[in-house]
Amino acid sequence: DTAVSQTPKYLVTQMGNDKSIKCEQNLGHDTMYWYKQDSKKFLKIMFSYNNKELIINETVPNRFSPKSPDKAHLNLHINSLELGDSAVYFCASSQAGTSRNEQFFGPGTRLTVL
Amino acid sequence: SQQGEEDPQALSIQEGENATMNCSYKTSINNLQWYRQNSGRGLVHLILIRSNEREKHSGRLRVTLDTSKKSSSLLITASRAADTASYFCATLDSNYQLIWGAGTKLIIKP
Repeated sequence: DTAVSQTPKYLVTQMGNDKSIKCEQNLGHDTMYWYKQDSKKFLKIMFSYNNKELIINETVPNRFSPKSPDKAHLNLHINSLELGDSAVYFCASSQAGTSRNEQFFGPGTRLTVL
Repeated sequence: SQQGEEDPQALSIQEGENATMNCSYKTSINNLQWYRQNSGRGLVHLILIRSNEREKHSGRLRVTLDTSKKSSSLLITASRAADTASYFCATLDSNYQLIWGAGTKLIIKP
């Protein structure tokens, strides 16, 4: 069984479009995350979210918005896509607020903006 | 922001040799974690060392932590081709947020 799943795996779209990436975890974790990994493999936290708090990395443009219909899902919606948004986006989850906070990652969504 | 800094950025060794990667960080931590990322895949948690621990083992992995120097090392013994991957360190800060390093790309030559 997949612990953290993301769809789609690949997404190719035109500049200016709006798109969403979905993430689901079946681990019963209370916190989910979105990361962006660029071509140089730098891993950058975009959001962390639990049912109490959304923490936004202040460098993330407001064109990006997380949407959580329930504890097991955290979708990423992107408006007005730009060329620089091309990257691999990873969803992750953890049981946060503990002394471990080991994170479990999804397989990634490779977004290409043309 | 990237707190952890791994070195080297890239490492290429022969199969069977040991591989050592280092990670430095800047602020106080709760724990330090190492993850592996195979090409085109998500990250996988390898090992966690708490701030009050100095050394941890898991199979062929050995992690050390020196809080006075704010550094950690990951040693992979008797490397295998399947160990080829990127390795990231991440530190859990006082706000329970993981701060990531830039990663070391490890290549094991057969």
